[in-house]
Amino acid sequence: ELKVEQNPLFLSMQEGKNYTIYCNYSTTSDRLYWYRQDPGKSLESLFVLLSNGAVKQEGRLMASLDTKARLSTLHITAAVHDLSATYFCAVPTSGTYKYIFGTGTRLKVLA
Amino acid sequence: GAGVSQTPSNKVTEKGKYVELRCDPISGHTALYWYRQSLGQGPEFLIYFQGTGAADDSGLPNDRFFAVRPEGSVSTLKIQRTERGDSAVYLCASSLTWPGGYNEQFFGPGTRLTVL
Repeated sequence: ELKVEQNPLFLSMQEGKNYTIYCNYSTTSDRLYWYRQDPGKSLESLFVLLSNGAVKQEGRLMASLDTKARLSTLHITAAVHDLSATYFCAVPTSGTYKYIFGTGTRLKVLA
Repeated sequence: GAGVSQTPSNKVTEKGKYVELRCDPISGHTALYWYRQSLGQGPEFLIYFQGTGAADDSGLPNDRFFAVRPEGSVSTLKIQRTERGDSAVYLCASSLTWPGGYNEQFFGPGTRLTVL
């Protein structure tokens, strides 16, 4: 059974600092998705990582995928308050369209 | 263009009642997903449709839950004999699907179901 774990679960950081969120998954998958969710809102797609070594960047966020290690990272550079949200990674069970989400990382950026 | 829409946005019902939750996907999206999200948790997969058929319903928790998509567009999630534990936000998502493609899911705003 595919399990997806994120850490940390909670992250409080100062503006201007850098940090990395980790997403580990337990079985083989060739793709991974990152989403953002603001309180009381739905999920917004951030990145789609389709292959080993894939790296995507958008603004202060950069995501990478290592399928051999079954690990994805979401790196935050010079955090700003607007990045405060919960971030989820999601992985499809191999050969299916059944997506398993991590428990989320709640990020709070302090001014 | 229009995104995924869900109605109602909020539904309050009493234990034992029947509810229907509706999802309108993005036009042209062949795949449709239902998820359930409890407070402080990630979305939990319920069911996936490809066209009109339920390609994977392994996430439905029991036979009180049923979903349909009769014309390959709008979908309805039906819950019979609701229980307090069914209280959650029910999310719908849609995507295009093709082998090797992004299959990026676009989520609706969700329906918050409260069972009293």
